[in-house]
Amino acid sequence: GAGVSQSPSNKVTEKGKDVELRCDPISGHTALYWYRQSLGQGLEFLIYFQGNSAPDKSGLPSDRFSAERTGGSVSTLTIQRTQQEDSAVYLCASGTGGETQYFGPGTRLLVL
Amino acid sequence: AQSVTQPDIHITVSEGASLELRCNYSYGATPYLFWYVQSPGQGLQLLLKYFSGDTLVQGIKGFEAEFKRSQSSFNLRKPSVHWSDAAEYFCAVARNQAGTALIFGKGTTLSVSS
Repeated sequence: GAGVSQSPSNKVTEKGKDVELRCDPISGHTALYWYRQSLGQGLEFLIYFQGNSAPDKSGLPSDRFSAERTGGSVSTLTIQRTQQEDSAVYLCASGTGGETQYFGPGTRLLVL
Repeated sequence: AQSVTQPDIHITVSEGASLELRCNYSYGATPYLFWYVQSPGQGLQLLLKYFSGDTLVQGIKGFEAEFKRSQSSFNLRKPSVHWSDAAEYFCAVARNQAGTALIFGKGTTLSVSS
């Protein structure tokens, strides 16, 4: 079946611009996670959605970062006023709320 | 706070040789532990997981891992490495319980020499 998909696969933007990254989870998965992978920091948790519960935003690095999940399915991660340190690969994962998270291929973001 | 340490940044193994990748964790209760592999340009693929029961777990691609509570370790092993195993390997622990966010180690890059 279809896995987790993310778009765009690559994004180049200028410092100060806003960007939106999209994640389509596996159909039926109630849990959705965003992580960031960068050279300096490794893999970091950003935000976690589970069903209709309030999201766990504890990993968001600043208030420039936000995410929403519409209809319990697709999620959008928004970065406002991008900075060069935001350059990273943004990974989305989904799951049933159990142990296993299935990862998408990621969006590679480059802020110039 | 929970944490994961992978002491080896880079390991080179000859094809056909055995492999062991080290992982140490810090967690107060019984941990949910995972090993993921990431090939160049690819997403993360789950190799295996442990959350209870038998401390030796089998995964895909011939990998296994052993949970040792006394050593706070969850080392990944493979008896005979193939060139296609060259990738980056990440150990992770669930932050609170199953289904919650994962805390990852910094990763170990495996190179396979012929």
